[in-house]
Amino acid sequence: GAVVSQHPSWVICKSGTSVKIECRSLDFQATTMFWYRQFPKQSLMLMATSNEGSKATYEQGVEKDKFLINHASLTLSTLTVTSAHPEDSSFYICSASPGAYNSPLHFGNGTRLTVT
Amino acid sequence: QKEVEQDPGPLSVPEGAIVSLNCTYSNSAFQYFMWYRQYSRKGPELLMYTYSSGNKEDGRFTAQVDKSSKYISLFIRDSQPSDSATYLCAMKGTGFQKLVFGTGTRLLVSP
Repeated sequence: GAVVSQHPSWVICKSGTSVKIECRSLDFQATTMFWYRQFPKQSLMLMATSNEGSKATYEQGVEKDKFLINHASLTLSTLTVTSAHPEDSSFYICSASPGAYNSPLHFGNGTRLTVT
Repeated sequence: QKEVEQDPGPLSVPEGAIVSLNCTYSNSAFQYFMWYRQYSRKGPELLMYTYSSGNKEDGRFTAQVDKSSKYISLFIRDSQPSDSATYLCAMKGTGFQKLVFGTGTRLLVSP
């Protein structure tokens, strides 16, 4: 149980275009999902907390107009990287928890974004 | 000083060895402790989840938490080449608090 699915697993886009990444909780409902970014050989950096039916909460230094988050249902959150630049190339991972706040997070398999 | 310190490795061991992975932390408010395994180009996979101090065993894996020393460990018995991955410790306080990750330790188990 507690499966988080992320799509696509990899994407290549041209500079200036936008890319949407989907995160789905397959066997549970998630009022809160989390979006992380990971650079090579580094740990996960929390970008934002996605809240179903309300605005996302962004971490300091993360541009909310660049990384648009929509959490329209209890099983789906999307991250859109707008006007992508090469420096946005990274590994993006979403996570969610099937339980209360103290339950462990389960992660999707990540999306590798390459901006050319 | 980082909230969570973890040796990045790599840690190289022969197949069958007992592996010890460790993290230290500075925030005494942390109550929930997790270990994740991450294969290359994949998302982290939850291995162990413990609350407060004590030991927890699951198959070949044992997690230990010593809150008095602010030190947590993950032991892997009879290590296999398939255990080769990066192991991330993570921890949080109570309620709606962010999960804080270590940098991860890369483990290499040779046949």
